[in-house]
Amino acid sequence: DAKTTQPNSMESNEEEPVHLPCNHSTISGTDYIHWYRQLPSQGPEYVIHGLTSNVNNRMASLAIAEDRKSSTLILHRATLRDAAVYYCIHGGSQGNLIFGKGTKLSVKP
Amino acid sequence: DTAVSQTPKYLVTQMGNDKSIKCEQNLGHDTMYWYKQDSKKFLKIMFSYNNKELIINETVPNRFSPKSPDKAHLNLHINSLELGDSAVYFCASSQDGSTGELFFGEGSRLTVL
Repeated sequence: DAKTTQPNSMESNEEEPVHLPCNHSTISGTDYIHWYRQLPSQGPEYVIHGLTSNVNNRMASLAIAEDRKSSTLILHRATLRDAAVYYCIHGGSQGNLIFGKGTKLSVKP
Repeated sequence: DTAVSQTPKYLVTQMGNDKSIKCEQNLGHDTMYWYKQDSKKFLKIMFSYNNKELIINETVPNRFSPKSPDKAHLNLHINSLELGDSAVYFCASSQDGSTGELFFGEGSRLTVL
């Protein structure tokens, strides 16, 4: 099983940056690192993914450690709509992504 | 237009009944999935279909049978429903099954009484 370790919960203030850590020490050389988030009563939503280099998109940035055993999802300015459970996953073959418990992010106004 | 749509959104039924959940994606993706999210919020893959062929079949009771009439549809049929089947079922699709960027539906909450 592909396993990751994330804090159960984190808090942030609105308009401030948030750094969500993830350990994935068992990652294989070909596994991508994926981040998804799940807002209340909705399906998971893709956030970002990467292999070795840091990645940026309109939602977030992904910083990947050189040894690839950990990564950090960075939300540059948290908003109330970013309150969700964030899942860090390293992908098995054929899209068989195994979701862990994730980090529940709370954003305070 | 919803990219991945599931029906029904809510389903309440009695033990022993047979029910189906339908899923359609209009993204032109080749791969579709069914995930189950239980009361503890763990999200686990059940099935994966690539272009109408079964690719992944995790340890799921054979009361659960996916059916893919075409690559845009993956329906989930459940026979002889049990209390433990109560969960939220999510359909998803992806263009590239290996890198796994998934697009999820909004979920179908099944309650078995």
